[in-house]
Amino acid sequence: EAQVTQNPRYLITVTGKKLTVTCSQNMNHEYMSWYRQDPGLGLRQIYYSMNVEVTDKGDVPEGYKVSRKEKRNFPLILESPSPNQTSLYFCASSPHLAEIYNEQFFGPGTRLTVL
Amino acid sequence: QKEVEQNSGPLSVPEGAIASLNCTYSDRGSQSFFWYRQYSGKSPELIMFIYSNGDKEDGRFTAQLNKASQYVSLLIRDSQPSDSATYLCAVPTGNTPLVFGKGTRLSVIA
Repeated sequence: EAQVTQNPRYLITVTGKKLTVTCSQNMNHEYMSWYRQDPGLGLRQIYYSMNVEVTDKGDVPEGYKVSRKEKRNFPLILESPSPNQTSLYFCASSPHLAEIYNEQFFGPGTRLTVL
Repeated sequence: QKEVEQNSGPLSVPEGAIASLNCTYSDRGSQSFFWYRQYSGKSPELIMFIYSNGDKEDGRFTAQLNKASQYVSLLIRDSQPSDSATYLCAVPTGNTPLVFGKGTRLSVIA
């Protein structure tokens, strides 16, 4: 089944404790992206990657890191989480930027709480 | 800054009525437009895609595009309580496949 998976789905942690949220897609998509979603603010892009070893900042990259060593995986790293990073996080992938039809496929989401 | 604007709502309509959701975008070069539906706490799912001026119909959903006015809308006919969700307009711009609006929350009252 074609899908984007994220783990963990739920996480409660404490300030300063490094964590990684994994994202994997099995559709051979070139483009992958991370979003956070907060009430009233919509989906805000954190980082995106147009291909392996190519990553770039989105609208709200502060406090986050990413890597793209393989095409299928795009982990999100919070080196020192803070309470303002409490949010619902989505990973998404898309086949190719040049196509006019470029649907983004979303993972199920990770609800993160930082105490 | 490429922008996609939506009325945040909530938009309340009675069951069986037509719900009309609107979206404006700033990038005149945008060629394709997406509508996603998102239930509370769930991930967005694609419901409509349109790239030509005019209307595109899919079941109870109709997307309307007017590139000259930089305006895209989504009509939901015979609205059902199960249509209650947040509807996100998304437009590809530059290097970003999709820029999302903040969404319009729709509530269908039985």
